[in-house]
Amino acid sequence: AQSVTQLGSHVSVSEGALVLLRCNYSSSVPPYLFWYVQYPNQGLQLLLKYTSAATLVKGINGFEAEFKKSETSFHLTKPSAHMSDAAEYFCAVSDSGGSQGNLIFGKGTKLSVKP
Amino acid sequence: NAGVTQTPKFQVLKTGQSMTLQCAQDMNHNSMYWYRQDPGMGLRLIYYSASEGTTDKGEVPNGYNVSRLNKREFSLRLESAAPSQTSVYFCASSFPTGGLNTEAFFGQGTRLTVV
Repeated sequence: AQSVTQLGSHVSVSEGALVLLRCNYSSSVPPYLFWYVQYPNQGLQLLLKYTSAATLVKGINGFEAEFKKSETSFHLTKPSAHMSDAAEYFCAVSDSGGSQGNLIFGKGTKLSVKP
Repeated sequence: NAGVTQTPKFQVLKTGQSMTLQCAQDMNHNSMYWYRQDPGMGLRLIYYSASEGTTDKGEVPNGYNVSRLNKREFSLRLESAAPSQTSVYFCASSFPTGGLNTEAFFGQGTRLTVV
């Protein structure tokens, strides 16, 4: 069975600092991996996705993630945090890689950005 | 560009009452999903529908029923609400073919409180 582990339920950074949100996955088949962002009282919005085309994936709002098969990781980074990045971030893996598209989510990491 | 629309946005129920959460998408997606989100638990799949006329259980189906009314609409019913069903419910839709089309689009959520 596939699973996702997000390390750190809460990460706090200063404005302008590097953002690093960690995600490790478990999958017996080549995974499809996603990062979603949720702003307060809103639904989830796709930040970026890995579908085997390239290991370094660029998303919206300056975020990117690198797929590392050897480490079974898909960490999310942004070089310089902005106040507007404060939100909850979810890593997810597609459980079949195709026919259903069901997503298995991590428990989420809440990002705080200090001025 | 409505995307995925959920109604209602907020609801308070008494224990034992029933209600139906409505979801509609206008993106011609085949697959639709119902998730619940609880603090520290991420999103957990309740039911999904891979195509019109089919439904399947997800990770936490107990206490819920679903109906895929047509390609656009997928409803979630609580027959006898319990306090443990207090949660935020998200509907999502996607193409079923995987790869680049596995991205799920989410509604804004329904915040349900059972007292």
